[in-house]
Amino acid sequence: NAGVTQTPKFQVLKTGQSMTLQCAQDMNHNSMYWYRQDPGMGLRLIYYSASEGTTDKGEVPNGYNVSRLNKREFSLRLESAAPSQTSVYFCASLTLPGTGSYNEQFFGPGTRLTVL
Amino acid sequence: AQRVTQPEKLLSVFKGAPVELKCNYSYSGSPELFWYVQYSRQRLQLLLRHISRESIKGFTADLNKGETSFHLKKPFAQEEDSAMYYCALAYNTDKLIFGTGTRLQVFP
Repeated sequence: NAGVTQTPKFQVLKTGQSMTLQCAQDMNHNSMYWYRQDPGMGLRLIYYSASEGTTDKGEVPNGYNVSRLNKREFSLRLESAAPSQTSVYFCASLTLPGTGSYNEQFFGPGTRLTVL
Repeated sequence: AQRVTQPEKLLSVFKGAPVELKCNYSYSGSPELFWYVQYSRQRLQLLLRHISRESIKGFTADLNKGETSFHLKKPFAQEEDSAMYYCALAYNTDKLIFGTGTRLQVFP
């Protein structure tokens, strides 16, 4: 199993350009997440999807859109990139939590995005 | 609102010294807490969760509801422990809120 995969690994954009970050998981997980990681701020949730066909905003959704294409894939789109979106983006997935417990979130390797 | 606080951005120790990475939380419900670790050039991975009461790589963490803390401890640090450590709190069943992270540097 590859786990959670992300493409691309690195990307440089100019202000105003658009791009889509791809994420896929092969663990049959229901929930998927997009985070951004910034120095001194930890990981912040951008969007998440509890199941195929559903998406919800997280803590910092402005400037982003997402698509849960199917159970495996969850993409993040920047329609008009801004320098403030320079960050490392992580995708993660999670199984349905079992009764009385919480399952582990599995993370992808990250995409390092620079917006000039 | 839920919150996770890691007061130290950087913790530097020598090999063999004890380590304690601090984590405090604020949450109105019953907390489920985790420690995640990110080694250099690797993805974030779960280190341990309070509900399991386990010791992983010599690390332990005890949930103290009275002090709302979940500090990560290891009696004898190793160089390979150098990494970024994040404390996280589960809320609304399927989401996590992370602290800002503590970078642990273990010198030889």
